[in-house]
Amino acid sequence: DAGVIQSPRHEVTEMGQEVTLRCKPISGHNSLFWYRQTMMRGLELLIYFNNNVPIDDSGMPEDRFSAKMPNASFSTLKIQPSEPRDSAVYFCASSFGGYVDTQYFGPGTRLTVL
Amino acid sequence: EDQVTQSPEALRLQEGESSSLNCSYTVSGLRGLFWYRQDPGKGPEFLFTLYSAGEEKEKERLKATLTKKESFLHITAPKPEDSATYLCAVQAVGGSQGNLIFGKGTKLSVKP
Repeated sequence: DAGVIQSPRHEVTEMGQEVTLRCKPISGHNSLFWYRQTMMRGLELLIYFNNNVPIDDSGMPEDRFSAKMPNASFSTLKIQPSEPRDSAVYFCASSFGGYVDTQYFGPGTRLTVL
Repeated sequence: EDQVTQSPEALRLQEGESSSLNCSYTVSGLRGLFWYRQDPGKGPEFLFTLYSAGEEKEKERLKATLTKKESFLHITAPKPEDSATYLCAVQAVGGSQGNLIFGKGTKLSVKP
């Protein structure tokens, strides 16, 4: 298996622009997680899907952030409008049954908002 | 408020010099404590799960232990390839299964 696939790997954009990050989970996994990692705050869960349904979005910072999972093999995280404080590495992870010990992380998307 | 604190922030060891990393946690009820390894430019890689005080898990040169307030990751005779950032996370009772609270990590460097 290719593992969790994220695209793009790097994104540089200007403040106010829309940013869309993409994730393809491991085939057969039914849980998907979006995380954000910064030096200041460390790794934080943004949202967690189980069977394509959002279960916990308490970590989503504000209305500028939205996430979708239209099917079992694809998810997006959108930021509109983007702000410099959104600069971070965004990770997608997938697992079976939501269990952390079967969770695999993707390589991340490094987002820079100028 | 649930919280995870890791110390030290950075640790430099000589190859073969054993040491321990600390993860202190404050949580209303612990469902599980998790250790990860993160290499530069990559996502975290799961290492261990600990569920109850007194539990221990081992993998190669790493051993994780758990008490009611903290966890230790013991590294015995480390090698340069053990260099990475080690993250600790807790899962609280009452929280969603996927909701982990992470520490900021300990960056370990092992010199040959």
